Amino acid sequence: EAGVVQSPRYKIIEKKQPVAFWCNPISGHNTLYWYLQNLGQGPELLIRYENEEAVDDSQLPKDRFSAERLKGVDSTLKIQPAELGDSAVYLCASSRTGGAGTDTQYFGPGTRLTVL
Amino acid sequence: AQSVTQLGSHVSVSEGALVLLRCNYSSSVPPYLFWYVQYPNQGLQLLLKYTSAATLVKGINGFEAEFKKSETSFHLTKPSAHMSDAAEYFCAVSGDGGFKTIFGAGTRLFVKA
Repeated sequence: EAGVVQSPRYKIIEKKQPVAFWCNPISGHNTLYWYLQNLGQGPELLIRYENEEAVDDSQLPKDRFSAERLKGVDSTLKIQPAELGDSAVYLCASSRTGGAGTDTQYFGPGTRLTVL
Repeated sequence: AQSVTQLGSHVSVSEGALVLLRCNYSSSVPPYLFWYVQYPNQGLQLLLKYTSAATLVKGINGFEAEFKKSETSFHLTKPSAHMSDAAEYFCAVSGDGGFKTIFGAGTRLFVKA
């Protein structure tokens, strides 16, 4: 079974430029998560999808961040414009269903973003 | 509200020694607790989880953790450390009713030869 796939693995951009990250979850997983992981910290949830619906985006900075999950499968996270403070690792995870707190999340390798 | 505190951002042990990584949680609902491991340049991988069944939970790679409600703790242990255990370890808490998973800041484990 293929794991969670993310691309690109690394991205370096100038500040004020746009950037997009892509995630393909494990087949059959209805729930998709985007996390932000700063250096030396644990992941922090940005947004959670149940199929196509964003059910928790309370931590997503909506002035510059946007996300979509068309057809309830893969997802894209976008930042426009990027700021220096956005440098971090962006992790995508998926689980069979997010309704149960016991559900195991499976993580992709992440995209390391560096904003210069 | 839920929170997780991992005591010690860095832990160093000798190969063959006991590994003990500490985690304390706070939760307003019965908690579900997780330990994840992250190797360099990789995503997080589940080691084990507590889901209100047995309080002593066994996971992969010889790790185990014990849920102690009275101490609000979920410490991770391994009897004998191996060089391959060197990684970052994250404790996490969630709950039913749509509570999101909250991760601790992580503990980096170093294993000395």
